[in-house]
Amino acid sequence: GAGVSQSPSNKVTEKGKDVELRCDPISGHTALYWYRQSLGQGLEFLIYFQGNSAPDKSGLPSDRFSAERTGGSVSTLTIQRTQQEDSAVYLCASSPDTNTGELFFGEGSRLTVL
Amino acid sequence: SQQGEEDPQALSIQEGENATMNCSYKTSINNLQWYRQNSGRGLVHLILIRSNEREKHSGRLRVTLDTSKKSSSLLITASRAADTASYFCATEKVGNTPLVFGKGTRLSVIA
Repeated sequence: GAGVSQSPSNKVTEKGKDVELRCDPISGHTALYWYRQSLGQGLEFLIYFQGNSAPDKSGLPSDRFSAERTGGSVSTLTIQRTQQEDSAVYLCASSPDTNTGELFFGEGSRLTVL
Repeated sequence: SQQGEEDPQALSIQEGENATMNCSYKTSINNLQWYRQNSGRGLVHLILIRSNEREKHSGRLRVTLDTSKKSSSLLITASRAADTASYFCATEKVGNTPLVFGKGTRLSVIA
């Protein structure tokens, strides 16, 4: 389909390991967002990319978290030295631009840190 | 930080009844949106209401917005078992900042 694609869908890792989560947005969408959802909770904003502008990193919880977006398309969220509290579902969303409002979400990557 | 807060946290109704969920927020907004999330899935956009609108309809959905009270409500009429899901409100604050989501209302519709 032509929706937002995320991989892996599930990731189990050991505490202290690094993980990379990938998001492939809808073609042509210029805005890309990462959110985190802990069990039974709402969505916590992490980072936002819009075109060629500098990303809004204000939601990243620590310097262990980073994200990049190559060529204005695919994005990778990297978590270094994972901790158990990083366990959550990481959701990626894209939108045509910031003025349309509606976000299109992927199915998420469920991260479990043992 | 949470901008939107949904109420109630959980709601259980019989099929055919109406379901009403409320959302309150704190600062001025450009728009307010409602999303639905089935268990273990991503979020799906339902409806967007702009700050200069008071009411919007989409099928069995009715959304109201009261900017003076900084609150919104989502009404689902004639509910179905398939409406069982979590419903989130999200606000876009003035300044085109990223959407801020509430913690959601878990709706259970019993057949």
